[in-house]
Amino acid sequence: DAGVTQSPTHLIKTRGQHVTLRCSPISGHKSVSWYQQVLGQGPQFIFQYYEKEERGRGNFPDRFSARQFPNYSSELNVNALLLGDSALYLCASSFGLGPQFFGPGTRLTVL
Amino acid sequence: KNEVEQSPQNLTAQEGEFITINCSYSVGISALHWLQQHPGGGIVSLFMLSSGKKKHGRLIATINIQEKHSSLHITASHPRDSAVYICAVASNFGNEKLTFGTGTRLTIIP
Repeated sequence: DAGVTQSPTHLIKTRGQHVTLRCSPISGHKSVSWYQQVLGQGPQFIFQYYEKEERGRGNFPDRFSARQFPNYSSELNVNALLLGDSALYLCASSFGLGPQFFGPGTRLTVL
Repeated sequence: KNEVEQSPQNLTAQEGEFITINCSYSVGISALHWLQQHPGGGIVSLFMLSSGKKKHGRLIATINIQEKHSSLHITASHPRDSAVYICAVASNFGNEKLTFGTGTRLTIIP
């Protein structure tokens, strides 16, 4: 079975632009979480979705939004990009309250 | 004070040495995770613990709920164990939001 997949792998944007990151969970997993990892720091929780509903939101501005589709894949959207949004964005899936399995991440660079 | 503290931040050891990485947390948790992150960013889940001890190969993870402390041990360390090891806690049942430590960078010298 394929693990968690994320696309794109790398992305370069300029300030003020919008970005959409995508995540496909492991087959059968209904929960998807998004994390932001700035260089040199541990990941920070952004969102969790379960059965297409938001179950948790971290301390991020409204420029960050996400959704989960009927096939449990998910998108993370960031509007009005700032230099500080440059980071590795990680997606993780889980069946329910079990271990989370992480994707390889999308490295976003904002110039 | 961070909710999850790890020590040491950096650790360099010779191949074959016994390695211990510590994690302390200040909140009530439903589970504690140990994760491994290699250069390039990919994260691998090593253990999920809610009590006691787990072992997988050369890796052992323990948790003491009363003391809010967990340790990750690596026996017979090898250069391929070089990575960042991250402790993360899930604080609420029904919500799998993870709070992460800042990680321990482990380097094993041949």
